[in-house]
Amino acid sequence: EPEVTQTPSHQVTQMGQEVILRCVPISNHLYFYWYRQILGQKVEFLVSFYNNEISEKSEIFDDQFSVERPDGSNFTLKIRSTKLEDSAMYFCASRGSTDTQYFGPGTRLTVL
Amino acid sequence: SQKIEQNSEALNIQEGKTATLTCNYTNYSPAYLQWYRQDPGRGPVFLLLIRENEKEKRKERLKVTFDTTLKQSLFHITASQPADSATYLCALDTPTGGFKTIFGAGTRLFVKA
Repeated sequence: EPEVTQTPSHQVTQMGQEVILRCVPISNHLYFYWYRQILGQKVEFLVSFYNNEISEKSEIFDDQFSVERPDGSNFTLKIRSTKLEDSAMYFCASRGSTDTQYFGPGTRLTVL
Repeated sequence: SQKIEQNSEALNIQEGKTATLTCNYTNYSPAYLQWYRQDPGRGPVFLLLIRENEKEKRKERLKVTFDTTLKQSLFHITASQPADSATYLCALDTPTGGFKTIFGAGTRLFVKA
C-alpha cells in the first residue's frame, strides 16, 4: 500500500541553524500538508500546498518557515533559524481526490 | 474563534465493552468530520470520515455519528480490545475547501484485559 515517507526520522540542531525536513507524498496526490506536534500537545496545522503554491497557513507558519516542492516527488519544510520552541514532531500528509489525509511517520526535531 | 473539544483526556474501559468518545465544536460549519488514531511517537492514522449530510457511518467495530445541530460527533468502538488502546483524534476541515484541518486534543483510550 502506498505511504507517505519522511526523512530524517530524527534531526538534532543548534538554535539559529537552518533545517530542511523532507517528505515524499503518495504519488498522484495533489494536496500536501505540514503539521507539528509539540510533546504532549495536539497536532497543529502549519500549512497546506496545492498546485505549486501555499493554499492556507496558520499563524505559526511565520517568515521563518517555507515550503517547496522542488521536483515531482519531494515536499520540503524549511525552518530558517530554529528556536528552542521549534522542537516538536513534524508530520507531512498528502491527499488525493478523496478527503482523506495520509500522514507520514514524522520527523522529531530537537533544537538545542 | 473556532474550537474543537474532546471531552475526556482519558477513558478507561474493560475489554469487550463499548468505548464512546465525544467531539464538540463551536463556530464551525464543517463539510465533514474525521476521526484518527494516534499511537505514541507515530503519525495519525485515518479511521473514518463523516459528511454533514450523513448521520452515521460504520466500519467494522467502529461507528461515528454526526449531529450538526448539536455540533457534536460521537465515536464508538464496540467489543473493545487492549489493541484499541491509543489516542483518538477528532479533526475538522475549515470551510475553505479542505485546505486547513484543525485537530482536537484527543482522548487517550485504555482498554484493560
